[in-house]
Amino acid sequence: ESVLTQSPGTLSLSPGERATLSCRASQSVTRSYLAWYQQKPGQAPRLLIYGASSRATGIPDRFSGSGSGTAFTLTISRLEPEDFAVYYCQRYGSSSLTFGGGTKVEIK
Amino acid sequence: QVQLQESGPGLVKASETLSLTCTVSGGSMSSYDWNWLRQPAGKGLEWIGRIYTSGSTYYNSALKSRVTMSVDTSENQFSLKLSSVTAADTAVYYCARGYFDSSGYFYPLDSWGQGTLVTVSS
Repeated sequence: ESVLTQSPGTLSLSPGERATLSCRASQSVTRSYLAWYQQKPGQAPRLLIYGASSRATGIPDRFSGSGSGTAFTLTISRLEPEDFAVYYCQRYGSSSLTFGGGTKVEIK
Repeated sequence: QVQLQESGPGLVKASETLSLTCTVSGGSMSSYDWNWLRQPAGKGLEWIGRIYTSGSTYYNSALKSRVTMSVDTSENQFSLKLSSVTAADTAVYYCARGYFDSSGYFYPLDSWGQGTLVTVSS
């Protein structure tokens, strides 16, 4: 089963800075079925990116996804105060779903 | 706008069966897949399994022997049963919706319930 490894575990940045989050898969991700979610304390995850690079409905364009195969990146171009949260990558598709361990983006 | 709401006991005794229901409102259950996930306090997300309206299921291999999912489209509900629970099953449980289009292309989980905390007591 494909394992997703996210790095770094924690990212300490200031508002306005650029955030770059990594997600690596142990096996190639079929059809770029790779998604990114944002989760704030006490809330359910919110879908940000699907198909590795497509923004979900209502997601600001400061969020962008890239990558293919086994290496994927979520970039937040300029951090807003509401962007400080935990981010998960997820492999999805017709069978099982797996999540990475998460990256916490915290205020420096 | 579809809404999902988990319901069920918040406290389950060890060795017993955890039972949860997710009620879907504001949309049809057809053409979607319906998922259960969980998250222990302070930890990451774990997918438990998925069910289609046809009744077909896919389960996390690590939990497969203990998981049963069912769907009732007439009630717009789907359910989770997890047997022989232990303290390790204490978590917030979420239900969520996935989607696949007519060409067979899949989309991830775009709608989630708010989550319900289930505590396993000894």
